[in-house]
Amino acid sequence: TAGITQAPTSQILAAGRSMTLRCTQDMRHNAMYWYRQDLGLGLRLIHYSNTAGTTGKGEVPDGYSVSRANTDDFPLTLASAVPSQTSVYFCASSEVSRHEQFFGPGTRLTVL
Amino acid sequence: GQNIDQPTEMTATEGAIVQINCTYQTSGFNGLFWYQQHAGEAPTFLSYNVLDGLEEKGRFSSFLSRSKGYSYLLLKELQMKDSASYLCAVMDSNYQLIWGAGTKLIIKP
Repeated sequence: TAGITQAPTSQILAAGRSMTLRCTQDMRHNAMYWYRQDLGLGLRLIHYSNTAGTTGKGEVPDGYSVSRANTDDFPLTLASAVPSQTSVYFCASSEVSRHEQFFGPGTRLTVL
Repeated sequence: GQNIDQPTEMTATEGAIVQINCTYQTSGFNGLFWYQQHAGEAPTFLSYNVLDGLEEKGRFSSFLSRSKGYSYLLLKELQMKDSASYLCAVMDSNYQLIWGAGTKLIIKP
């Protein structure tokens, strides 16, 4: 079982460009999440989805958008990247929102 | 505001015992999680506490005191592979996880 996959593994992006980070899970989990992880800070929630068709804003949603068209996929889009969005991005899922979360391998994004 | 505090870094010796503390102040409480994260990898789930007391799972144990806003992760019989960051996270009233910055544990032979 693959669990959660993310693509790309890493990316260098010019400021002002748009990009979509992909996340797919095969565990049929209802809830999915996007976090960013920066040195010296805890994981910070960007957006979440408790079930297909619904999304919500986390702690740091500005500059990011998400969609949840089906159970398996939860893409994260940066409409116009800025250097402060340089980070490691983790996608996670859980059976329901109150259960343990399973993480994908992460995407390392550098915005220049 | 919401806050999770844990030490930035700890060092311990192979075969020994180490305790990693976590204190928290959050809007509501629906459980406390510990995750392990090796460098360059994703966090992986270690333990979950929602009631006061000690939960033991092999070499790892986790303790919770809700009245004190305090938890610790106890690692016994340390192995070199335990070198990693340990993340404390609290699930708040909205069932969202609030994460500490993590404790980097260095194991020396």
